[in-house]
Amino acid sequence: NAGVTQTPKFRVLKTGQSMTLLCAQDMNHEYMYWYRQDPGMGLRLIHYSVGEGTTAKGEVPDGYNVSRLKKQNFLLGLESAAPSQTSVYFCASNSLSNYGYTFGSGTRLTVV
Amino acid sequence: AQTVTQSQPEMSVQEAETVTLSCTYDTSESDYYLFWYKQPPSRQMILVIRQEAYKQQNATENRFSVNFQKAAKSFSLKISDSQLGDAAMYFCAYRVTTSGTYKYIFGTGTRLKVLA
Repeated sequence: NAGVTQTPKFRVLKTGQSMTLLCAQDMNHEYMYWYRQDPGMGLRLIHYSVGEGTTAKGEVPDGYNVSRLKKQNFLLGLESAAPSQTSVYFCASNSLSNYGYTFGSGTRLTVV
Repeated sequence: AQTVTQSQPEMSVQEAETVTLSCTYDTSESDYYLFWYKQPPSRQMILVIRQEAYKQQNATENRFSVNFQKAAKSFSLKISDSQLGDAAMYFCAYRVTTSGTYKYIFGTGTRLKVLA
């Protein structure tokens, strides 16, 4: 049982480049989330999805887009990367239970 | 708006001693869930313990326990018999329910150092 898998684990981008982070879960969870983690700021919600084909904005959505074409996958896109998007990105998923998130192992993204 | 505050950026504890990490939150809801997550250097987020607000009894998981004070909106984590493997960032989280949707709000974290 793989849980939540994030790819890639590390990436370096140049300013203005684009990329997509992939999150895949095999637990049939309805809810999926993208967070960014920055020193001294904890985890902040970027976008989330409550089901296939649906997405919603979180606390810090600017500069990011997401898609949930399949229930098991949640993609986070950066169309034109900026140094301010240097961060560690976490994907998480959750069922309609009360047992907390299942997290991926994170992606460290550096924009130079 | 719901907020979660961890006022201790860093804490230290001697091995085998007890340490308490603080967390306060703000909410107008009466029924909610609170969580503590551990993030070791591996970066993986690990659920340590959770508490349902409607339960008066404090949650306990082996060496980890919480002191949940609903009226004070306080949710502290106590680690007993601290071990070197407990060294990590600890995040307090609150689950927001909006129109049937669950979202989690995290505090800024407390870095715990365990001294041998």
